[in-house]
Amino acid sequence: GESVGLHLPTLSVQEGDNSIINCAYSNSASDYFIWYKQESGKGPQFIIDIRSNMDKRQGQRVTVLLNKTVKHLSLQIAATQPGDSAVYFCAESTGNQFYFGTGTSLTVIP
Amino acid sequence: DAGITQSPRHKVTETGTPVTLRCHQTENHRYMYWYRQDPGHGLRLIHYSYGVKDTDKGEVSDGYSVSRSKTEDFLLTLESATSSQTSVYFCAISTGRATEQYFGPGTRLTVT
Repeated sequence: GESVGLHLPTLSVQEGDNSIINCAYSNSASDYFIWYKQESGKGPQFIIDIRSNMDKRQGQRVTVLLNKTVKHLSLQIAATQPGDSAVYFCAESTGNQFYFGTGTSLTVIP
Repeated sequence: DAGITQSPRHKVTETGTPVTLRCHQTENHRYMYWYRQDPGHGLRLIHYSYGVKDTDKGEVSDGYSVSRSKTEDFLLTLESATSSQTSVYFCAISTGRATEQYFGPGTRLTVT
């Protein structure tokens, strides 16, 4: 899951397996959440979002689950591919400002 | 990068000098943001703009100022750069509040 420490949490998965990346958010008033992917040397890339009136949202090969009771967000990537190797982080928002987690480094083993 | 460019992409400057970073968008989005990214921290908001000449502070605004005189341009200025401002700076845009943000490629700034 996400961490505020100096070292990113890491996740290694075999190509073709499913990946689950977790995020604990801090503000119970947050009503909008985004998952981003960031490759080395590049800007964050939008993956999927979800609003607090939903528990689940699906995209292409990705699913986001929101558990407001425990303030937890997860990103599921189906059939993980080598191109999915990157840092993934979540962001929460209550309005004009967003607050970002430090991220999880995903490595896909061919 | 969703029609967002940042300039310069890399800059090395000395402590005490002024620095201006530019973000340019071709998407006509209303909101623009400046973030910094440092090891051990998530992206942190410096300033944002919700329209031409409309700006507000983020959580790490000390030492930074911004200006937005046109919809497409958002400038970030370090009046007197310090070593603690060595970072990677990202610009982002969105159509409105609490909507998806799209990020530029970033500017790596080193203050010696």
